[in-house]
Amino acid sequence: GQQVMQIPQYQHVQEGEDFTTYCNSSTTLSNIQWYKQRPGGHPVFLIQLVKSGEVKKQKRLTFQFGEAKKNSSLHITATQTTDVGTYFCAGLDSSYKLIFGSGTRLLVRP
Amino acid sequence: EAGVTQSPTHLIKTRGQQVTLRCSPISGHTSVYWYQQALGLGLQFLLWYDEGEERNRGNFPPRFSGRQFPNYSSELNVNALELEDSALYLCASSRGRPLGYGYTFGSGTRLTVV
Repeated sequence: GQQVMQIPQYQHVQEGEDFTTYCNSSTTLSNIQWYKQRPGGHPVFLIQLVKSGEVKKQKRLTFQFGEAKKNSSLHITATQTTDVGTYFCAGLDSSYKLIFGSGTRLLVRP
Repeated sequence: EAGVTQSPTHLIKTRGQQVTLRCSPISGHTSVYWYQQALGLGLQFLLWYDEGEERNRGNFPPRFSGRQFPNYSSELNVNALELEDSALYLCASSRGRPLGYGYTFGSGTRLTVV
């Protein structure tokens, strides 16, 4: 079955540093979604990318979808303590199951 | 607009028992999804219901089952509980089929099996 892998598993940064998490799928994705889960919370939908090579921005967050639609990245510029949490990518498989990556846990030192 | 609501929030059960978890989707959302999140791990797809029908299920044994009611609310049933069933069970809803819409998650039910 489809697998969605994310790296790194953990990232510990100093406040103000940048952060990037990468997502790779074993198969071509129809779309990719990104979610954020704060400690003790539930996943919250951030964005969806659909087109090959698509780039979207939300303030300090930049999301990219690869040309082959098999990989994606989330980049945060100048992290803040409010960015702490686990970031998940998720892709739809051929049977419309949304498969989540293993997540990248971001820790920010103030 | 009320979000996705799940009940109960916490539950402690003994191995071998049965449990029922409940989920009410956002008004207007017809699809409901169930995920299992073991402590510190990712989300594993359990079940997808749409318009009252089970549309897909993940790689879980048959003792995990559920249903969706005419008002689109849903139940997840787990029979013969095992220790490894201890996890956060998340319900999510979306408007229609899962193509083009993000999922809205509830706060989850924390199940502990002892």
